[in-house]
Amino acid sequence: AQSVTQPDIHITVSEGASLELRCNYSYGATPYLFWYVQSPGQGLQLLLKYFSGDTLVQGIKGFEAEFKRSQSSFNLRKPSVHWSDAAEYFCAVGAVGGGADGLTFGKGTHLIIQP
Amino acid sequence: GAGVSQTPSNKVTEKGKYVELRCDPISGHTALYWYRQSLGQGPEFLIYFQGTGAADDSGLPNDRFFAVRPEGSVSTLKIQRTERGDSAVYLCASSTRGQGPFNEQFFGPGTRLTVL
Repeated sequence: AQSVTQPDIHITVSEGASLELRCNYSYGATPYLFWYVQSPGQGLQLLLKYFSGDTLVQGIKGFEAEFKRSQSSFNLRKPSVHWSDAAEYFCAVGAVGGGADGLTFGKGTHLIIQP
Repeated sequence: GAGVSQTPSNKVTEKGKYVELRCDPISGHTALYWYRQSLGQGPEFLIYFQGTGAADDSGLPNDRFFAVRPEGSVSTLKIQRTERGDSAVYLCASSTRGQGPFNEQFFGPGTRLTVL
């Protein structure tokens, strides 16, 4: 079974500073990887996804993520955060066929933006 | 266009009662998913529908949980004999479904269930 680990429960970043949120996954084959953002009172919104090909993936709101197979990681980055980026961020992995089509999520990283 | 909608947004019930949570997916989406998100946790997969049938219910925690999608659109998650541990936000998502890579799941705002 697949699993996702987000080692940082909380991260505090100053507005305008760069951001990196860590995600490690466990999956037997090539994974489908996702980053979602959840703001208070809002549904989960997809930031970006990796299926195959170029390992550096661009997403919405200026986010990007890099797939590193050797490290089983899919870290999310943003060069300069804005106060509106404060939210909960979830990394997820999808199983491909042959069973569950649901996503497996990490526990999330709560991002706090300091003025 | 309209996104995934869920009703009610909040539900408070007493231990032992029966509850129904409704999900209205995006029009034309054949795949529908239910997840449960407990406090401080990520969403946990419960069940997946393709059309009217439950293609995968491996995430349902026990037989008190049941879901239906009789016409292949709206789905209802049913919880019998609720327990305090069932308190969580129940999320619904929908997607198109076809051959090839994973299709993006669009999530609703969730139903917050509180069992007293």
